[in-house]
Amino acid sequence: DQQVKQNSPSLSVQEGRISILNCDYTNSMFDYFLWYKKYPAEGPTFLISISSIKDKNEDGRFTVFLNKSAKHLSLHIVPSQPGDSAVYFCAASASRSGNTPLVFGKGTRLSVIA
Amino acid sequence: DTGVSQDPRHKITKRGQNVTFRCDPISEHNRLYWYRQTLGQGPEFLTYFQNEAQLEKSRLLSDRFSAERPKGSFSTLEIQRTEQGDSAMYLCASSFPKSGMNYEQYFGPGTRLTVT
Repeated sequence: DQQVKQNSPSLSVQEGRISILNCDYTNSMFDYFLWYKKYPAEGPTFLISISSIKDKNEDGRFTVFLNKSAKHLSLHIVPSQPGDSAVYFCAASASRSGNTPLVFGKGTRLSVIA
Repeated sequence: DTGVSQDPRHKITKRGQNVTFRCDPISEHNRLYWYRQTLGQGPEFLTYFQNEAQLEKSRLLSDRFSAERPKGSFSTLEIQRTEQGDSAMYLCASSFPKSGMNYEQYFGPGTRLTVT
């Protein structure tokens, strides 16, 4: 039973355009959501997060949107750059209940084409 | 801030052998997590510590796995009698929950285990 789902295994975007990565979750106890980026042979790198009390968080080229009623979040990268090519993981935790481990999706491989 | 470090980066072992991995978290972080990642999957939680106390273990953590954080600083993960199914990337992460409940976990580079 996958609690965090990233239904697109891969995505290709042209340099300069917007990349939109999607994530759905099923556990209504999740109240904190994170996006990580992973290059081959490296550990995941934290990108951006959002608390369930917000519906948007922005950091430079990265914006995360949260739709609690749909249990859906998305990561927007604009403009996309070739260095953004990596695997992106969505993760969630139920921190308010004291359950702190992260639950990850399977990831989406983003390729930004120059 | 030197980040989370893990040692070794790669380990090849024969089935039935014991292996031990080490994780050094970011120095002021009091929480330390172990995750396992296999091909095509996201990281899966194994266990975590707050200071030296092991607070939670996943059902993925069979009796052959044991983790310690004796002085609340570095941690070790030992796998006894390794099996081919243990082949995976073992990731360590650390965090320091701030005044609120929300926090980020920072990951090390991982230890890739291959059991032949």
